[in-house]
Amino acid sequence: SQTIHQWPATLVQPVGSPLSLECTVEGTSNPNLYWYRQAAGRGLQLLFYSVGIGQISSEVPQNLSASRPQDRQFILSSKKLLLSDSGFYLCAWSKGAGADTQYFGPGTRLTVL
Amino acid sequence: KNEVEQSPQNLTAQEGEFITINCSYSVGISALHWLQQHPGGGIVSLFMLSSGKKKHGRLIATINIQEKHSSLHITASHPRDSAVYICAPTQGGSEKLVFGKGTKLTVNP
Repeated sequence: SQTIHQWPATLVQPVGSPLSLECTVEGTSNPNLYWYRQAAGRGLQLLFYSVGIGQISSEVPQNLSASRPQDRQFILSSKKLLLSDSGFYLCAWSKGAGADTQYFGPGTRLTVL
Repeated sequence: KNEVEQSPQNLTAQEGEFITINCSYSVGISALHWLQQHPGGGIVSLFMLSSGKKKHGRLIATINIQEKHSSLHITASHPRDSAVYICAPTQGGSEKLVFGKGTKLTVNP
């Protein structure tokens, strides 16, 4: 069966520090991968999605970036965190192109102080 | 105007009540997802539907593509159903979900 992992589960970082969040999927190959953010009191927002290794689409211009160095690994990064980067970050995967069920990871709660 | 509107924003019910959450959208879609977000933040996909009706246990989801409207029903609600329910259409021909702000459901024993 397929599983999706995210780490860390919680993170407290100072403004201006770097960020690296990791997401890995097991039990499937060539998944579509997604990074979402949920800011406090707001809805989910798609940040990045990837349909293959090295292929990243950015939905929202910001100081975050994403990379997919391996088929089932998706990394969210920042060189310098802002206060507004605080939120709940969710990774998700789906099997293929077009509309398909998305399976969400447990999330990382990031607080930038 | 938001692309996805959910109503109500908050809903409190007594155990056993029949629950309906509504979702209207303005984007052209290929499918619509209903998600459940637990108090700890974890999200579970409940349904993905592109027409008609789907049922899973006590949950029923319906969609009317012409009217751009979907509903999520919970029969015989239980306190463990307490969560935020999120409507998320998939923009036509893409993998991208557009999210509603969610409906917070509280079911009291």
